Amino acid sequence: GAGVSQSPSNKVTEKGKDVELRCDPISGHTALYWYRQSLGQGLEFLIYFQGNSAPDKSGLPSDRFSAERTGGSVSTLTIQRTQQEDSAVYLCASSVTSGQGNIQYFGAGTRLSVL
Amino acid sequence: QKEVEQDPGPLSVPEGAIVSLNCTYSNSAFQYFMWYRQYSRKGPELLMYTYSSGNKEDGRFTAQVDKSSKYISLFIRDSQPSDSATYLCAMSANSGAGSYQLTFGKGTKLSVIP
Repeated sequence: GAGVSQSPSNKVTEKGKDVELRCDPISGHTALYWYRQSLGQGLEFLIYFQGNSAPDKSGLPSDRFSAERTGGSVSTLTIQRTQQEDSAVYLCASSVTSGQGNIQYFGAGTRLSVL
Repeated sequence: QKEVEQDPGPLSVPEGAIVSLNCTYSNSAFQYFMWYRQYSRKGPELLMYTYSSGNKEDGRFTAQVDKSSKYISLFIRDSQPSDSATYLCAMSANSGAGSYQLTFGKGTKLSVIP
């Protein structure tokens, strides 16, 4: 079956512009995560969605970052007024929450370059 | 000190060698332990998933968890050039809000030389 799909695969933008990154999770997966992978920092958690519950935004680095999930499926991560330090690979993962924790399946990521 | 420490390498081994990759962690709340493999410009791919202390084997891969020492390992037997990738350890605990967000090591870059 189809895996986690992310678009675009690459995005180049100018400092100060807004960008939107999209994630299509695996069908039937109720949990969705966003992570950021940057040189020197590794993979870091950003935000978590579970069904219709309020998201866990504890990993968002600043108020320039926001995300939404429509209809419990597709998610969009928005970065406003991009800065050069926002350059990174943004990864989305989805999972079926079970009593033994979860197994997260990742998309290929969106590589963001802020010039 | 970061919550999860992983030697970034790079690690270079000849084909057929046994590879040992390790992570240490400081948060005793972690319950679930994973190893992901990531090829260049691809997303992380789950290799091994373990819940408790002990060993888990899957083909050429063996994962070990020692909760008392807060130490996890991944062994790769008969390594192949196709194993050349970055290996990420990851772990999680229920945050209380239902989130099992993963905390990752920085990854070890492995090269298997034919």
